[in-house]
Amino acid sequence: QVQLVQSGPEVKKPGASVKVSCKTSGYVFIDYGINWVRQAPGQGLEWMGWISAYNGNTNSAQKFQGRLTMTTDTSTNTAYMELRSLRSDDTAVYYCARGDYGVNWGQGTLVTVSS
Amino acid sequence: EIVLTQSPATLSLSPGERATLSCRASQSVYNFLAWYQQKPGQAPRLLIYDASKRAAGIPPRFSGSGSGTDFTLTINSLEPEDFAVYYCLQRSDWRRLTFGGGTKVDI
Repeated sequence: QVQLVQSGPEVKKPGASVKVSCKTSGYVFIDYGINWVRQAPGQGLEWMGWISAYNGNTNSAQKFQGRLTMTTDTSTNTAYMELRSLRSDDTAVYYCARGDYGVNWGQGTLVTVSS
Repeated sequence: EIVLTQSPATLSLSPGERATLSCRASQSVYNFLAWYQQKPGQAPRLLIYDASKRAAGIPPRFSGSGSGTDFTLTINSLEPEDFAVYYCLQRSDWRRLTFGGGTKVDI
């Protein structure tokens, strides 16, 4: 069965970077892109960006441009999301999701940004 | 950026009733719209994609309709497990996906 397993919770100080991994299994990795979505505490869902697992092409929401890097490792079927220059309002649960519509999701990774 | 407006913000219903949720787009998204269900502490779950296609394993009481700018998610005969928050998502602008603000369906 398809699984997306994300890395564990992170606590970071303002100005630091965080890198979240999303290890996939149960499907042909390069056949689907990966979306990254976040959810601040008590808030709605926010799309961050998408990466093609086939060729590494990316799209991202304008508010994250310059701070967000998405990559994939086809040798381990893993996607990564790195967010730099963290601020307190980046505190959120970060999700990876498979495919154009996110048919499968990871369990989420809580990133807490606090001094 | 395409803005999705969901209404109502909260829908208070009882088991067995029908829920009708709305998602309106600031410009046409054709049929590139999806609906998700999210329960507390869980990841979202895809219910409907391409406006009206049910995702695998989704019960037939969930249905989606609409095209262009106006979309509806209907849940016939609410089950206790259907009380959750529902979000719509557009991918018409494939470089800039956007979510609606969500509708909470509660008892």
